[in-house]
Amino acid sequence: DAKTTQPPSMDCAEGRAANLPCNHSTISGNEYVYWYRQIHSQGPQYIIHGLKNNETNEMASLIITEDRKSSTLILPHATLRDTAVYYCIPRGINTDKLIFGTGTRLQVFP
Amino acid sequence: DAGITQSPRYKITETGRQVTLMCHQTWSHSYMFWYRQDLGHGLRLIYYSAAADITDKGEVPDGYVVSRSKTENFPLTLESATRSQTSVYFCASSVTGGSGNTIYFGEGSWLTVV
Repeated sequence: DAKTTQPPSMDCAEGRAANLPCNHSTISGNEYVYWYRQIHSQGPQYIIHGLKNNETNEMASLIITEDRKSSTLILPHATLRDTAVYYCIPRGINTDKLIFGTGTRLQVFP
Repeated sequence: DAGITQSPRYKITETGRQVTLMCHQTWSHSYMFWYRQDLGHGLRLIYYSAAADITDKGEVPDGYVVSRSKTENFPLTLESATRSQTSVYFCASSVTGGSGNTIYFGEGSWLTVV
């Protein structure tokens, strides 16, 4: 699976959009990009995943660059409850498991 | 969502004791996983299972034993606990394997070995 680079921490004002970048320049053509988050002391929570096209669900939007070497998770209107560690995880089409990196610690402030 | 339940949620044990962490899922998912997370670090895969009686090692399997006699249960046993196994343990499951299937996590079991 591809390696990822995420900023260790980011801040965001409540109500503003939070844009979390992830670099996965070694991603292969059959690897999805998964995003999970972990709120303090809780189990990781699935957010969204995509392969080539941009994706949106009730939680977030995922923008994947055309060359697939990077992606951005967008929380359109961040709330205090979005404070968490966010993990970007490439996952091969035949890969059964998730391999976690160190993620980005997002702090949403009032 | 109570689909995955872990027990006990909190456990303190002594070095050298055997400890079993239980994981039960109600979704009839084929795949189940055990991860550990040390304080301030990311999650690391210990073992996973594709189905009953099928298990595979993950990144850090040493010191752990798993079994899966029933689809819904995936216990993790520390045969002789060590202080380095103090950690939070997360169980997870997915419908089946492959990247199209979302993995769902339980709330964790906090284990302290003294």
